[in-house]
Amino acid sequence: DVKVTQSSRYLVKRTGEKVFLECVQDMDHENMFWYRQDPGLGLRLIYFSYDVKMKEKGDIPEGYSVSREKKERFSLILESASTNQTSMYLCASSFPVQFPLNEKLFFGSGTQLSVL
Amino acid sequence: GQQVMQIPQYQHVQEGEDFTTYCNSSTTLSNIQWYKQRPGGHPVFLIQLVKSGEVKKQKRLTFQFGEAKKNSSLHITATQTTDVGTYFCAGFRDSSYKLIFGSGTRLLVRP
Repeated sequence: DVKVTQSSRYLVKRTGEKVFLECVQDMDHENMFWYRQDPGLGLRLIYFSYDVKMKEKGDIPEGYSVSREKKERFSLILESASTNQTSMYLCASSFPVQFPLNEKLFFGSGTQLSVL
Repeated sequence: GQQVMQIPQYQHVQEGEDFTTYCNSSTTLSNIQWYKQRPGGHPVFLIQLVKSGEVKKQKRLTFQFGEAKKNSSLHITATQTTDVGTYFCAGFRDSSYKLIFGSGTRLLVRP
């Protein structure tokens, strides 16, 4: 069965800390994504990666960076956590499919990050 | 940038009533996907629509893609308590892997 695993379900950090959110998928998917989910705002794309060592900014990349050293792992990094980064973070993966089709996303269970 | 708007934000219905959520994009979409997120869960893929004017059904759920490929709707007939959750539409920018989500419609069903 398809599996996207996020390392922590809940995380509490202090302002200014460097935070790593890890995501691993076991489906050999090329594409991986990081979204954050806030009430009333839906899911907003932070970064995505379509291959190892490749990354592209989403709609809200400020304050975040990513790392994709291996195909199965996609890490989200908060260089200096701030209180406005308190949110639910969702990782997702998909196969690339030739345009105009796009493969569905498989999501992890999410990490609820609180920055105090 | 491209925005995908969804209405209503909340809908509270009596079990057995119908429910509809609407999704509107500021630009033409290459295709649209719908996801359901149960309370405390993560989004799960429901369906994808590609063609202009396309209509697809899954049991009590009917999905439509507008003729201009800028809007979509999800209609649930005779809601059940198992339909509770937040429904998201999501659209792709042309030739892009970027999937842009709507703000979601949260459905509550009174038994």
